[in-house]
Amino acid sequence: GGIITQTPKFLIGQEGQKLTLKCQQNFNHDTMYWYRQDSGKGLRLIYYSITENDLQKGDLSEGYDASREKKSSFSLTVTSAQKNEMAVFLCASSRLVSAETLYFGSGTRLTVL
Amino acid sequence: AQSVTQPDARVTVSEGASLQLRCKYSYFGTPYLFWYVQYPRQGLQLLLKYYPGDPVVQGVNGFEAEFSKSNSSFHLRKASVHWSDWAVYFCAVSMWTGGYKVVFGSGTRLLVSP
Repeated sequence: GGIITQTPKFLIGQEGQKLTLKCQQNFNHDTMYWYRQDSGKGLRLIYYSITENDLQKGDLSEGYDASREKKSSFSLTVTSAQKNEMAVFLCASSRLVSAETLYFGSGTRLTVL
Repeated sequence: AQSVTQPDARVTVSEGASLQLRCKYSYFGTPYLFWYVQYPRQGLQLLLKYYPGDPVVQGVNGFEAEFSKSNSSFHLRKASVHWSDWAVYFCAVSMWTGGYKVVFGSGTRLLVSP
């Protein structure tokens, strides 16, 4: 078994601030993902990474940067937080094959004042 | 465009009644399809997944789903719903775009009435 750890669990920021979310996995999985979950909009893919030092843009990458310096970690940066923004950011990982299960972390809840 | 559509944002079912949650996908290749469930205050977890082959897939807790290539659908079913099935259900598709990208639908919230 393994676990995905997301830090912090809660993140409060100010408008215009740069904010970083972190994700660690001990599954030894190749592929990692960042999703944003908004109420009523499901999960939208921000970035994913097939392997260490690889980055692929998802459908919602504008306004975000990502970094995969180690196989076990994947970080996401909100480059300029938007006022009144509220969302949950979910990190996931899987093996590098076509139909493998995604394993999710418990999420980081972002609130921008 | 490649996408996943769950047309029902909310479904209410009486306990013991049958259930169908709808999912349609748009993808030119062979899809790998999933249903994930998010119970209240918990993370997402896999319910079942489809590999090319038998179109009916069995999952956990009595759930099953049927793949239809002609309808581009992957509907989730359960014969008898239990109160503990109260959750949000997400359909997802794994698509090849130079790497496997997993795209989710908007989710269907299942409410179970007594």
